[in-house]
Amino acid sequence: GIQVEQSPPDLILQEGANSTLRCNFSDSVNNLQWFHQNPWGQLINLFYIPSGTKQNGRLSATTVATERYSLLYISSSQTTDSGVYFCAAGSYGGSQGNLIFGKGTKLSVKP
Amino acid sequence: NAGVTQTPKFQVLKTGQSMTLQCAQDMNHNSMYWYRQDPGMGLRLIYYSASEGTTDKGEVPNGYNVSRLNKREFSLRLESAAPSQTSVYFCASRGGGTGRVGYGYTFGSGTRLTVV
Repeated sequence: GIQVEQSPPDLILQEGANSTLRCNFSDSVNNLQWFHQNPWGQLINLFYIPSGTKQNGRLSATTVATERYSLLYISSSQTTDSGVYFCAAGSYGGSQGNLIFGKGTKLSVKP
Repeated sequence: NAGVTQTPKFQVLKTGQSMTLQCAQDMNHNSMYWYRQDPGMGLRLIYYSASEGTTDKGEVPNGYNVSRLNKREFSLRLESAAPSQTSVYFCASRGGGTGRVGYGYTFGSGTRLTVV
């Protein structure tokens, strides 16, 4: 099955800094999503991005499907960006339900 | 617009007890999912339902059963709880392709279950 690897596992930033989180996946996918899990445990969908580039405020994401990776950019980080960022990948087909999650990048933004 | 609602938020069970976790979505989504999250393991799929009336096993289905009661509701049942089922359980539904989320998943707030 698909394997999803995220890097770095941990990241500490000063408020206002920029960062790039990476997600590598082992096989062709047509479903790639980024989530933010806040310190209270809530999972928020940031992007559905099986290919191309999307932007939402200070966050943007790029997926290069042919090279099997996706990047999440956070600009001008704020303390509210702290939490764990998950990448998840999968393929729709016979087993359309199986979205595989990476282990996450834990981000701490210091004031 | 509540999105995905899970109940209860917290539960403590004794080994061998049974319980049902409830999940409902109000976004008219066809596909719904149950995941469990354990420290260091990320999220793993337990069961999913591609549409009303269908259910399929995910990566870790043993010890669980599900019911897709109607398009809105998808419940997860533990028939005889075991300490290994101590976890945080999340329900999710998959978008219909429109709007910012597209085919992305929307998650409920989770149920923290402890089996003693």
